[in-house]
Amino acid sequence: QKEVEQDPGPLSVPEGAIVSLNCTYSNSAFQYFMWYRQYSRKGPELLMYTYSSGNKEDGRFTAQVDKSSKYISLFIRDSQPSDSATYLCAPREGSQGNLIFGKGTKLSVKP
Amino acid sequence: DSGVTQTPKHLITATGQRVTLRCSPRSGDLSVYWYQQSLDQGLQFLIQYYNGEERAKGNILERFSAQQFPDLHSELNLSSLELGDSALYFCASSPPAGTEAFFGQGTRLTVV
Repeated sequence: QKEVEQDPGPLSVPEGAIVSLNCTYSNSAFQYFMWYRQYSRKGPELLMYTYSSGNKEDGRFTAQVDKSSKYISLFIRDSQPSDSATYLCAPREGSQGNLIFGKGTKLSVKP
Repeated sequence: DSGVTQTPKHLITATGQRVTLRCSPRSGDLSVYWYQQSLDQGLQFLIQYYNGEERAKGNILERFSAQQFPDLHSELNLSSLELGDSALYFCASSPPAGTEAFFGQGTRLTVV
């Protein structure tokens, strides 16, 4: 089993839809859970991160972690065509630990 | 702009050659991470340095080596290059008291 599993998609939604992106992981030592957005193989851009279990909201984005089930989610409200990108989850053990990336989910938001 | 600078942006070289990729972290960041992204493998962690010292090692081949210099910039050396080494190579940096990791725009290496 890979350390981080993520459905590669592609996921296609209409503009304005709520998008749910998910990852599962196997290492119970992960404490920090990062979400990155990557456009056309440019450098990954940090969207947000959470520490341990719980929710965190930032504008249209909400990150959710359930450590009991080792499940990570990112929700995007009112999705826009500019949200079309690949979304990568990346948990890490400590605040300075290396990031373990999922393969990413490719999202397409249609106008 | 993340503040992490990688050079060169593109590199084309022949099999068997050696190349050096350079990364300048954000001002004040002490940690530097190197990642390889190929089409079918996603982002793979190679190695991490913290303030000049190797901190963690991932799936880095013996033909690859890295170091972090006193001014905190880092170099990734790839030798005896093979076609399969063609990939995007990213570096990231983290602040000493923070959790965020910021990525550069990458170096696209093509081995022909």
